[in-house]
Amino acid sequence: AQSVAQPEDQVNVAEGNPLTVKCTYSVSGNPYLFWYVQYPNRGLQFLLKYITGDNLVKGSYGFEAEFNKSQTSFHLKKPSALVSDSALYFCAVRPVIYNQGGKLIFGQGTELSVKP
Amino acid sequence: NAGVTQTPKFQVLKTGQSMTLQCAQDMNHEYMSWYRQDPGMGLRLIHYSVGAGITDQGEVPNGYNVSRSTTEDFPLRLLSAAPSQTSVYFCASSYMGGPYEQYFGPGTRLTVT
Repeated sequence: AQSVAQPEDQVNVAEGNPLTVKCTYSVSGNPYLFWYVQYPNRGLQFLLKYITGDNLVKGSYGFEAEFNKSQTSFHLKKPSALVSDSALYFCAVRPVIYNQGGKLIFGQGTELSVKP
Repeated sequence: NAGVTQTPKFQVLKTGQSMTLQCAQDMNHEYMSWYRQDPGMGLRLIHYSVGAGITDQGEVPNGYNVSRSTTEDFPLRLLSAAPSQTSVYFCASSYMGGPYEQYFGPGTRLTVT
């Protein structure tokens, strides 16, 4: 079965330190990969995506993500965390073989907490 | 442009009642979908549509119906609410045929007692 895993329910980081939120996937073919962020009581907001090409993708709010095909991972990173980055982060995968529009498979989510 | 809108924001139902969650988008997106979000389970796809008149089931369709009579609207109907349907519901839309991101509505928090 196709799946996306975010192995950490929670990540705690001090403000100013680098952060990493991990994501691995088990999907056939070469999927499109996405990161979304959800602030409390809000909908999900798109952060960045990987389609093809350079393994390091840059997105909104200073976030970037590193694609590793051999490890089937797509980890979200930021060089210097802000308290305002505290939120719930979701990794999502869209298998390219789907002819069903934008169907996404989501990970369970990782709660990021950045302390001053 | 308003993006993806959902109504109501909050709803409390008694077991057995029915209701419709509304979703609309003004971006001319072909693809629309409904998800439910439960703690520790991420987002699970309920139903989706690839265009007006075309719908299909997602991962957790039981107890829910959808229809898509226009490109803009994609309502989700709960036929006979159950406590297991207590959740936060999100509607999302996107273009089709490429690596397009989905745009999400603000969500509807539903409690079934």
